[in-house]
Amino acid sequence: DAGVIQSPRHEVTEMGQEVTLRCKPISGHDYLFWYRQTMMRGLELLIYFNNNVPIDDSGMPEDRFSAKMPNASFSTLKIQPSEPRDSAVYFCASSLVAGAFSTDTQYFGPGTRLTVL
Amino acid sequence: RKEVEQDPGPFNVPEGATVAFNCTYSNSASQSFFWYRQDCRKEPKLLMSVYSSGNEDGRFTAQLNRASQYISLLIRDSKLSDSATYLCVVGMGATDSWGKLQFGAGTQVVVTP
Repeated sequence: DAGVIQSPRHEVTEMGQEVTLRCKPISGHDYLFWYRQTMMRGLELLIYFNNNVPIDDSGMPEDRFSAKMPNASFSTLKIQPSEPRDSAVYFCASSLVAGAFSTDTQYFGPGTRLTVL
Repeated sequence: RKEVEQDPGPFNVPEGATVAFNCTYSNSASQSFFWYRQDCRKEPKLLMSVYSSGNEDGRFTAQLNRASQYISLLIRDSKLSDSATYLCVVGMGATDSWGKLQFGAGTQVVVTP
């Protein structure tokens, strides 16, 4: 059974360029989460969706970041323009039943390691 | 103040020994609790859920103290493969935060031969 799939696994780009990260959640999961992880700030929730609808985007750092979920099996996180401080590992996660106390396990993808020069 | 706080460690543990560490959470309305494990340069993975009565999974024991708002994890008979960062995770369960989990920064455990 395929887990959460993310692409690309590594991305190196120059400051000012547009970056698009992709995620395919586990089939049947109705929640999708985008996180960013750095040494300094740990794991931060950027945005999450329920049934393709954004529920909470309060973690999106600024207008340069945007996320979409056009259908149940695909989501993108876009950074335009990118800056060196955006360098981090970006994780996508999905869950089947969120908030049901101890059953709302989130399954993470392998992450995209982004380096902005 | 962070919503979930953990001692970053590292906890250096001889193989076969027991190690225990806690995390504290700030929101008394929190409803669900977990420990995730993250290996170096890998994604976080669920280690175990934490139930009010405490629970065991093999060599791992988790406890929840709602009154003092802390969660603990104890690892018995440590293996070299237990070396990882352990993330304390708290879920709100409230209507406006449904699905949202708060992750601690992690406690690093290093098991040495």
